[in-house]
Order: sequence, then structure tokens, then C-alpha cells
Amino acid sequence: GESVGLHLPTLSVQEGDNSIINCAYSNSASDYFIWYKQESGKGPQFIIDIRSNMDKRQGQRVTVLLNKTVKHLSLQIAATQPGDSAVYFCAETSPHTGNQFYFGTGTSLTVIP
Amino acid sequence: DADVTQTPRNRITKTGKRIMLECSQTKGHDRMYWYRQDPGLGLRLIYYSFDVKDINKGEISDGYSVSRQAQAKFSLSLESAIPNQTALYFCATSDSRVETQYFGPGTRLLVL
Repeated sequence: GESVGLHLPTLSVQEGDNSIINCAYSNSASDYFIWYKQESGKGPQFIIDIRSNMDKRQGQRVTVLLNKTVKHLSLQIAATQPGDSAVYFCAETSPHTGNQFYFGTGTSLTVIP
Repeated sequence: DADVTQTPRNRITKTGKRIMLECSQTKGHDRMYWYRQDPGLGLRLIYYSFDVKDINKGEISDGYSVSRQAQAKFSLSLESAIPNQTALYFCATSDSRVETQYFGPGTRLLVL
């Protein structure tokens, strides 16, 4: 079956430092990945996505890296700010799952001022 | 995302009661989804719909039913609520051309 997991359930970083959140997936056929941010009391918010034909994609202060060899995904947040404190999920999908998404359990990021 | 709204935002009900959670979207997307979120677990898919005449079961559809009244509206019903259906419920939408899903603010449901 599908499994999407995160290496660390919690992460604390100092304001201004870079954050790295990791995610492992098991389906080698997965071809599309998304990172979501969920703040307390709110729904998941799209941050950045990447397709399997890429290994890196950059957004504003965020970078997603995809290593298909070891089925690993990471989210890097540059110059972490207090507003980045939230739970971060990875999600993956593949044509073989009818394009249904499978979500990780989440990593809780706390930014220390 | 204000383009996806859910009502009610919070609901307390008793075991055996029938309840309905509603979702509306103004994004013009054709695909809609219902998920539940439990502590320590990832979002799990309950039902999804790719257009008004299409309804599909997700990973955990038992005890739930849905209705796609229009392209913009997708409701989730619990026919006879039970305590282990206490959870946070999210509606999401996507466009058939792009898989990215956009979520509503969630409905917190407590079944006593």
C-alpha cells in the first residue's frame, strides 16, 4: 500500500535560520508531489509542488528537492520567520492511484524568536 | 482559502444523529473532495467527485455519503453519527488540468 512519512514529527529553529523538513514516500510510480502548510485552526495551504521529471524547484523563500532514487522529498525554508510556524505536510500522487493524493502525518515547525 | 467555504465550522452532535456538512467553491473547479483529519494521521480521503454526475469512494467511505448538487457544491452526510467520526473534516477542490488541491477551512465535528 501507499505510505508517506515524515522523518521528524517536530522541528524547532531560530528565527532567521534555514529550516529543512523531510518526507519519505514508498510508491516509485509517484509523479507529482505537493507541500502544504497548515496553521492552527485553518485548512492546508498550498506552498510548492514538483513533478517527477524535476529534482529541484524554487519558490519565494522555499525550495523543494526530490530524490527519486531514495524516494525522498524535502522542503527548505530560507530565513525562517515566526509566521512560518505551522504543520507542514507532504502529499504524493500517481496515475496508478487514480490521481488520489496520499498525505504524510506532518511535521510541526516552531520558530523561536 | 476563501474560495472554498465550509459550513458549519464547528458542530456537536449525538450518537445516531444524521448530520450534513456542506462545501461550496467559487474557483470554478470541476473536482471536489472530502477528507478527514485525525491527530497523528495524515488526511484521509472519504469521497471525491470529478464532475456533477461522478461520485467515487475514497479510502474510508463507510458510514458516510455525499451529494454533488452542482459543480460548486459538494456535501458530506453522516447517516448515523458515531463517536469515532469525531474529527476535523476538510473539503478540497481541483481543476482537471492541474492536480493541485485547494482546501477549505475545515469543520470540527464532535460526536458525543
